[in-house]
This record gives sequence, C-alpha cells and structure tokens, in this order.
Amino acid sequence: AQSVTQPDIHITVSEGASLELRCNYSYGATPYLFWYVQSPGQGLQLLLKYFSGDTLVQGIKGFEAEFKRSQSSFNLRKPSVHWSDAAEYFCAVGGSSNTGKLIFGQGTTLQVKP
Amino acid sequence: ETGVTQTPRHLVMGMTNKKSLKCEQHLGHNAMYWYKQSAKKPLELMFVYSLEERVENNSVPSRFSPECPNSSHLFLHLHTLQPEDSALYLCASSQVLAGAKNIQYFGAGTRLSVL
Repeated sequence: AQSVTQPDIHITVSEGASLELRCNYSYGATPYLFWYVQSPGQGLQLLLKYFSGDTLVQGIKGFEAEFKRSQSSFNLRKPSVHWSDAAEYFCAVGGSSNTGKLIFGQGTTLQVKP
Repeated sequence: ETGVTQTPRHLVMGMTNKKSLKCEQHLGHNAMYWYKQSAKKPLELMFVYSLEERVENNSVPSRFSPECPNSSHLFLHLHTLQPEDSALYLCASSQVLAGAKNIQYFGAGTRLSVL
C-alpha cells in the first residue's frame, strides 16, 4: 500500500540549532516527493520537491532534503532554525498516475525555543 | 502571495443549512483539487478536476457536491452536513494532473464548523 510516515508528531528545537524532520514512504513506482509547510490558519506552502536527478534538493527558506532510495526516506533539514520556522511540516509522495493524487503524512509540528 | 484564493475563510453552519465554498486560481492551471484537513489526521483528497472534468471522487458522501464551471473556479456545495464534517477545507491547483508538472499549490483554506 502507498503511504507516508512522519515518525515525529512534535519536535522542539532551540533557535539556531539544526533541524531534521524524518519522512519514510512506501510507493510502488518511482516516487515524486514533496515537503510542504503550514503556518497556523494558512494553507500549505511548497518548500521543495524531488522528481529525479540529484538526490539532495534545495528549497526555499534555507531548507534542503535528501532522497535515499535504499531507505525509502526523504528527510528535511535546516542547519540553523529561526523562530519563524515554527509551523507544521508535511511530507507527501506522488507519481506518474493520471489522477494527480498526493499521499500526505500526518505532519510534524515544530516548536522553536528562544 | 498565493495564486489560489478561497472564500469564505471561516464558515459556521447548522446541519440543515446549504452553503458553498469557493476556490479561484490565478495561475493558469488545468487541474484543481479539494482536500479535507481534520485534526490529527493526514490530508484527505476529496475531489480532483482536470479541464473541468471530475477525474477522482474519493468515496466522499453525497452531502458534498463539487462543481467546476471552468478551469479557474471550483466550488464545494454543502448540504445537511454532520458535526464530524467540521474541518479545514483546502483547495489546490496544478498545471497538469500527472508527471513532473503536478506541483500542487494550495489556498489558505476555509475553516468550517458544523453545529
């Protein structure tokens, strides 16, 4: 079955510390992978995406993610977290199907301590 | 700045009311989506439209009725809802349905409360 797992429901880091949010997926074909961020009361904003090629992808706001096929993972990282990064983060997987369906993880809530 | 606009942002309705949610995209996209976001649950895809034709109906109850009059507008008509339908309803659009251009852009959502 196709699925996305974000093992950490809630993470707290200090401002300036590094961050890694985990994402594991199960998908039968070549996956397209996405990270979205949602601030309170807002919709989802695309941080970055992976379709093919270089397995380390750069996104907006200083985020990056690495696709590891052998581990079925697409973890999100940021070297130094800012207070404004506090939000909910969603990993999603899609593919070449003709329905445009994305499968989302349950999300990880990031809290940033001053 | 989002190219996908949803109205209203908040809606409170009784179980016997009829209301509609509106979504408009200014991105020139051909595909539009409705999602339901409930607390502590992953986003649930409800409907997908491509070039104004419905291509996915993800086992959604008939009290939710979508309408896509053109590629820029998407509506979700609501009637005789249940309290468990209270959620954030998100609209999204993408250039095409499949492949590397299926990057979905989301609106800010409508927060729906059913009393």
